[in-house]
Amino acid sequence: QVQLLESGPGLVKPSQTLSLTCTVSSGSIPSDGFFCSWIRLHPDKGLEWIGDVSYNGSTYYNPSLESRATMSVDASKNQFSLRLRSATGADTAVYYCARLHDVLNAFDYWGQGSLVTVSS
Amino acid sequence: DIQMTQSPSSLSADVGDRITISCRAGQNIGRHLNWYQLKPGKAPKLLIYAASNLQTGVSSRFSAGGSGTYFTLTISNLQPEDLAIYYCHQSYSPPPCTFGQGTKVEI
Repeated sequence: QVQLLESGPGLVKPSQTLSLTCTVSSGSIPSDGFFCSWIRLHPDKGLEWIGDVSYNGSTYYNPSLESRATMSVDASKNQFSLRLRSATGADTAVYYCARLHDVLNAFDYWGQGSLVTVSS
Repeated sequence: DIQMTQSPSSLSADVGDRITISCRAGQNIGRHLNWYQLKPGKAPKLLIYAASNLQTGVSSRFSAGGSGTYFTLTISNLQPEDLAIYYCHQSYSPPPCTFGQGTKVEI
């Protein structure tokens, strides 16, 4: 069973960088076919896919966030990271990491989510 | 981006009822449609993948169907633990994959 846990500051000031880490437990990240996806839940607006990052560092971004987002992986620590620059109030959301199952083409394991508020 | 439209946005039902949520895609997505259950403070849960396949460990009270542009999720014998928000998700055309706006189910 794969377990994911998001961590990071719960409060970010406007214009600063939002940074989150997703730690994967229950074994090492497989060397192939493992994609970590970042998804956020806006208050009253629903779910938005941010992007995917694979074990080997390949990334796929939502075009609407690509100019501000950077995703990376540290396989030695079983960790994936998300950085979102120039944060605004519109980035206030619950941020989830999830495993994208490459055969089901669905997110089969999720973290519990990390609430990030962008406010001065 | 492929627009996904769910209806209703919320519904209230009684324990034991059967409810159906619909999801329409802005274009033909085949059967690349998944359903998730979100509860506050808990990890979201994959219920259905590829339009009609029940994820391992999910109650058989959940069923789903559809293809192309119209999909449905049905919950039979509604239970108090089904109180949640349900989202459809198209994985036909990433990036970006897109979600419906959610359906809040109240018991």
